[in-house]
Amino acid sequence: GQQLNQSPQSMFIQEGEDVSMNCTSSSIFNTWLWYKQDPGEGPVLLIALYKAGELTSNGRLTAQFGITRKDSFLNISASIPSDVGIYFCAGRFDNAGNMLTFGGGTRLMVKP
Amino acid sequence: DAGVTQSPTHLIKTRGQQVTLRCSPKSGHDTVSWYQQALGQGPQFIFQYYEEEERQRGNFPDRFSGHQFPNYSSELNVNALLLGDSALYLCASNRGLVLGYEQYFGPGTRLTVT
Repeated sequence: GQQLNQSPQSMFIQEGEDVSMNCTSSSIFNTWLWYKQDPGEGPVLLIALYKAGELTSNGRLTAQFGITRKDSFLNISASIPSDVGIYFCAGRFDNAGNMLTFGGGTRLMVKP
Repeated sequence: DAGVTQSPTHLIKTRGQQVTLRCSPKSGHDTVSWYQQALGQGPQFIFQYYEEEERQRGNFPDRFSGHQFPNYSSELNVNALLLGDSALYLCASNRGLVLGYEQYFGPGTRLTVT
């Protein structure tokens, strides 16, 4: 079974709002990744983190590698409608291209 | 530059049958991994192939097997299908064992077992 717990499981956003989600693990990971998956497609890599404490940005997205190496956070600033989708965190025990362990996902939806 | 491609897109099989799914990695990539994604869940690692050999394996039974060809493409075979095998099967490729070369995913094959 999965070892990564993502929260929240789902959330509604209004355009312009900032969004935060996080991922926690009972195990230490040496690499944390964040992916986004749209319906009918495979996950697309957003941000990769390789060092504890690392803070990395990709446009309006910012992710951090927790200093305990057991958690990671993703923030989206000034959300837009195309941010809707499912966001997955993934951890890897080593640093080079091997198996990923995924969280259960955070589903972002637009407020009606 | 073509990304990761998978075939077929959708597949319907009957319990007990066997199925083969195919994957072509992104250009320049030599390592292929397979994941199973059940509805509403995150992907789960099945196995990874590099230099035509299985390098790592997740917690999946022997009914799941694979192969990698000299051109780096790969197949996933599942024997004696169960209803619980219904899922989206994702293929991911990367340049093996190189830091910073993360896995790129294909669009997946949706398998339905009836």
